[in-house]
Amino acid sequence: EAQVTQNPRYLITVTGKKLTVTCSQNMNHEYMSWYRQDPGLGLRQIYYSMNVEVTDKGDVPEGYKVSRKEKRNFPLILESPSPNQTSLYFCASRSGGSAFFGQGTRLTVV
Amino acid sequence: KNEVEQSPQNLTAQEGEFITINCSYSVGISALHWLQQHPGGGIVSLFMLSSGKKKHGRLIATINIQEKHSSLHITASHPRDSAVYICAVYTGANSKLTFGKGITLSVRP
Repeated sequence: EAQVTQNPRYLITVTGKKLTVTCSQNMNHEYMSWYRQDPGLGLRQIYYSMNVEVTDKGDVPEGYKVSRKEKRNFPLILESPSPNQTSLYFCASRSGGSAFFGQGTRLTVV
Repeated sequence: KNEVEQSPQNLTAQEGEFITINCSYSVGISALHWLQQHPGGGIVSLFMLSSGKKKHGRLIATINIQEKHSSLHITASHPRDSAVYICAVYTGANSKLTFGKGITLSVRP
């Protein structure tokens, strides 16, 4: 089954404690991306990757890092999380006209 | 001004009605995406199009590149169509994605 898998689904953490949200796809897609969704602001792109070792900033990259060492994985790294990074995060992959989204990760930073 | 505008913001319809959701954008794009998000949060890609029209079941999406406008039509609407519908545009060689705020559709039985 074609899917994008994010982990964890829910995470509560403390300010400053480094965390990684994993994203994996099984469709051999070249394009992967990360988004955050906030009430009143909608979805906003954080980072995207056109292929292995190729990443670029979206609209809200501050405070986040990504890496694309292999095609299937695209982890989102928060080196020093802050409360303003509390949000719902989605990973997605795309090929041609088909896009697939992960289930979402609800992150709370206290 | 947002680069992607959707209208109306909220929409209520009666089951069986024909529904149109609009999306206008102000930048040059390479493609446009229609997404559906149900309560509970999961996002489903409905269409990605760069010209003309696409149809899938009861859903039809159209785009007019010259007018910078796209519409999503739902025929014979059903309560299970109740969801948030989000328009998003790709700029810069299909890479950067900018979203509209989404429209909340409620279809009453």
